[in-house]
Order: sequence, then structure tokens, then C-alpha cells
Amino acid sequence: ETGVTQTPRHLVMGMTNKKSLKCEQHLGHNAMYWYKQSAKKPLELMFVYSLEERVENNSVPSRFSPECPNSSHLFLHLHTLQPEDSALYLCASSLGTGNTEAFFGQGTRLTVV
Amino acid sequence: QKEVEQNSGPLSVPEGAIASLNCTYSDRGSQSFFWYRQYSGKSPELIMFIYSNGDKEDGRFTAQLNKASQYVSLLIRDSQPSDSATYLCAVNLSGGSYIPTFGRGTSLIVHP
Repeated sequence: ETGVTQTPRHLVMGMTNKKSLKCEQHLGHNAMYWYKQSAKKPLELMFVYSLEERVENNSVPSRFSPECPNSSHLFLHLHTLQPEDSALYLCASSLGTGNTEAFFGQGTRLTVV
Repeated sequence: QKEVEQNSGPLSVPEGAIASLNCTYSDRGSQSFFWYRQYSGKSPELIMFIYSNGDKEDGRFTAQLNKASQYVSLLIRDSQPSDSATYLCAVNLSGGSYIPTFGRGTSLIVHP
């Protein structure tokens, strides 16, 4: 256990559905991240929050909408996704956005049908 | 485009050998470097980090950093089949927030 918990672990959704991914960290960290991992591609940074403020939005389509209500929780709201959005979505946290390592959750395996 | 490059492999080594994994990065301002291990179907887990030029050893693992050559490597001594995984290099790129950027990873196979 890394102290970062993601739910659900697996999700299958249709292109017209709306769903949310949840991430919670119990490490007292101030920065949280969403990454997308597709087969044969590097981890792609999607969003970064530091002290609940979004500091990075890496040109992610608007069908992905993050929310960070407090420093321990991070959500990724999904709507009208495409099949190519199927991937492993990883949440991570770190003490800050400086020279500190990231701790990852177990990920949500998303399949869009 | 600031990038982190790794050979995707697979790198195949016999049990007991030294496995050498390499990573190059394009951003000269990068300050910190990390190696993560990811088993199939699992999330990445941190193995080592290194900030200064030279070698850093932790058990069977040694990280090597050469900022002049923009090169970081991971050596695994006495490789075991349980070391078979994908190894991700991550670099905290400069330009404000030092966000960790990952390479595509190198697949390592240690065969008995």
C-alpha cells in the first residue's frame, strides 16, 4: 500500500455515460496528479494540483474534468468519452511539486465501449 | 518539447547478471531524477532517486547521473527473476513547477 487509494479499480462505460474516478491520499502531501497510461506509450501527465490549485493542464480534452476539493482528494469527471480514451488512469501524490518523488495509486482500468 | 527517452527493450539478462538500464533527457535544467519499477498490471513504485552527479547505491541497485551528458542509468546487480518488470525513468523538468515527466519505460526480463 502506497497511501494513495483509487476507486474504482475497473470501469466500463459507454460513450454517452458520465462517471467519476476518485483518488484519496493519506500521506499529508500537497500535490496530486492524474496520469494516463496507454499501451506502448509513456505515462502522460494530465493534471497537477498543488495545495488544491490547478497548476498544470496538459492540453487535455474538456471531456476530462478534474476536481480537487481538498489536499487529500482528487476526482476526474468523465463524460462523452471516446474508445481511444480507454487506458489505465493513475493518480499520484507528492509532498510538493519540487524535487520530491511521486507515490502512485493502483490505478483505474477504464474501458470505453 | 522536453523529453525523456528510454529504449523500450525488452532487455533480457540471465539470472545473476548485471542489468543496465539507460535514460536520456533533453532539459538541461532538470534537477531530480527517479527510477520506478512497474510490474504488469500494477502501478509504478519508486526504486531510487538521484539529484547529484555520480553514483548512488542502494542494495543491489545503483543509479548513475551525468548531467553534462544528460544521462541517467540504473544498474541492477545479481539480477533475479523477480526483477522482471518495466523500469520507468522520470525527470522533474524545469520551468516552474518541476513536474515529473516519464519515459516510456524499458522492459527487463531476467531468465533463470
